[in-house]
Amino acid sequence: GAGVSQTPSNKVTEKGKYVELRCDPISGHTALYWYRQSLGQGPEFLIYFQGTGAADDSGLPNDRFFAVRPEGSVSTLKIQRTERGDSAVYLCASSLTPGRTDTQYFGPGTRLTVL
Amino acid sequence: EDKVVQSPLSLVVHEGDTVTLNCSYEVTNFRSLLWYKQEKKAPTFLFMLTSSGIEKKSGRLSSILDKKELSSILNITATQTGDSAIYLCAVESGNTPLVFGKGTRLSVIA
Repeated sequence: GAGVSQTPSNKVTEKGKYVELRCDPISGHTALYWYRQSLGQGPEFLIYFQGTGAADDSGLPNDRFFAVRPEGSVSTLKIQRTERGDSAVYLCASSLTPGRTDTQYFGPGTRLTVL
Repeated sequence: EDKVVQSPLSLVVHEGDTVTLNCSYEVTNFRSLLWYKQEKKAPTFLFMLTSSGIEKKSGRLSSILDKKELSSILNITATQTGDSAIYLCAVESGNTPLVFGKGTRLSVIA
């Protein structure tokens, strides 16, 4: 079966622009996570969805970042007024049973570069 | 604030060598410690260690959790070039999401 997919794989944008990153989880997985990984760092938690609702958004760095999951499947991470410091790989993961992190499957990520 | 520290940050070994990667943590309400292998971009799950499962083994890889010392090691024996990757340690505590360390970049040369 298909794993977690993310599009685009790479995104280059200019400072100040708006970007959307998409995550398509494994079918049937109710939990979905977004992480950000900067160069030389481990993944850093951004937001966690259980179904359609954001169960924990404590990792979003500021109000320029927003994520939605309107139908409980695909999720979109939205970044407004991008800054150079937003450049990173954005990873999405999904799991069938939230709280059991051994079943958290990661997608290939989107590499965002803000010029 | 929860913290996960990995060492060394990078390591270069020759094929056939045995390596030990370290992970220490400071978290409240520890639940589990996980190891991931990251090649290119997507981390892939290796092991999960909990109070009830402090030692895991799969082929040439093994991991031990030391709850007293708040640490874990990941051992890889008879290393191969395909083991070259970043190895990430992450800790789950209470109701908080995973906290990752910075990773150890392992390079295995022929």
